[in-house]
Amino acid sequence: AQSVTQLDSHVSVSEGTPVLLRCNYSSSYSPSLFWYVQHPNKGLQLLLKYTSAATLVKGINGFEAEFKKSETSFHLTKPSAHMSDAAEYFCVVSDPSGNTGKLIFGQGTTLQVKP
Amino acid sequence: DTAVSQTPKYLVTQMGNDKSIKCEQNLGHDTMYWYKQDSKKFLKIMFSYNNKELIINETVPNRFSPKSPDKAHLNLHINSLELGDSAVYFCASSQARDPTFYEQYFGPGTRLTVT
Repeated sequence: AQSVTQLDSHVSVSEGTPVLLRCNYSSSYSPSLFWYVQHPNKGLQLLLKYTSAATLVKGINGFEAEFKKSETSFHLTKPSAHMSDAAEYFCVVSDPSGNTGKLIFGQGTTLQVKP
Repeated sequence: DTAVSQTPKYLVTQMGNDKSIKCEQNLGHDTMYWYKQDSKKFLKIMFSYNNKELIINETVPNRFSPKSPDKAHLNLHINSLELGDSAVYFCASSQARDPTFYEQYFGPGTRLTVT
């Protein structure tokens, strides 16, 4: 069965410093992995996705993530945090069984950006 | 232009009542989803329809009944509301089922409070 574990429920950084949000996955298939962002009182937006092509994936707003099979990790990074990055971030894995489009979400990481 | 819209945005009701949440997408997508986000921000798929056909029906009480009158609409009806139904419900849509290729677009959410 597919699952993702986000290792930090809350991350706090100062504006202009790097961001690291950690995610480990478990999958019996070659996984498709995603990061979604949810700004306060908003719906979710796809940041980036890994689909077995390049292991370093670039997304919107300067975010990127690296797929590391040996570590079963898919950590999200950004070189320099902006105040507007404060949001909830979800690491997600797809469940390919049954071709249903089912997404399995991690528990979420709240990113706080301090001025 | 709103891609995925939900009504109402907020819904406060008493235990035992029956309520509906409506979802509409104007993206021409074939697949639509309902997700539940609990108070700890954990997101879980509830239902999915593809071309008006039910394809995902997770372990959800049968008080919850989705209805898809056409490809652009997926409504969620909830009977005999309970306190534990309080959550934010998100509708989403995608062009097709495989999230590897087809992004899921989320609505703004409906915050349901049962008193």
